[in-house]
Amino acid sequence: EAEVAQSPRYKITEKSQAVAFWCDPISGHATLYWYRQILGQGPELLVQFQDESVVDDSQLPKDRFSAERLKGVDSTLKIQPAELGDSAMYLCASSLYIREGEGTDTQYFGPGTRLTVL
Amino acid sequence: AQKVTQAQTEISVVEKEDVTLDCVYETRDTTYYLFWYKQPPSGELVFLIRRNSFDEQNEISGRYSWNFQKSTSSFNFTITASQVVDSAVYFCALSVLSYNTDKLIFGTGTRLQVFP
Repeated sequence: EAEVAQSPRYKITEKSQAVAFWCDPISGHATLYWYRQILGQGPELLVQFQDESVVDDSQLPKDRFSAERLKGVDSTLKIQPAELGDSAMYLCASSLYIREGEGTDTQYFGPGTRLTVL
Repeated sequence: AQKVTQAQTEISVVEKEDVTLDCVYETRDTTYYLFWYKQPPSGELVFLIRRNSFDEQNEISGRYSWNFQKSTSSFNFTITASQVVDSAVYFCALSVLSYNTDKLIFGTGTRLQVFP
């Protein structure tokens, strides 16, 4: 069964350091999402890609966070510099399509990267 | 604005009991999608069900069943004859397609503990 891959699974870093997370969506999925889940809360969208284009990054703290999906397949999320408040689970998801007038597909999630900032 | 409320923070039951997880949503859109996901201690979100706003049929899948009622904006989830393996955090989520974005709006989750 196809799955969303993420690495690393765990990351511990000190504040002011740079960190990067990688996501490989299910093959053929055009839409890729990065969510952040703070302990005890539901996930919240950081950024959404349709192929290689960003379609929603309204909740991405752009002064320190960046995301790219250069070839429209895998994606990298970077934080520089990391702050204590960035400690969270970072979840990647993918879906087959979004098409106006046709609706959306189910989002399937990867195992996540648990980030701890000391 | 869209919102999902899961009023039950934590539920504890003994194995074989039936349990219902409540979900209430808010949206002004007429076309929307509702989801349930399971998050075991490993952290991965596991998809359970997807419903669109035009399909109010209840659904049963094994021990799982879902009751969608637009009149009360609710999408409740029932586990029949619960098992220890059902212990997890369960999230209800809402999605509305708007300007090519369909982000999931999650509730705060309900932690289910099933004791043997």
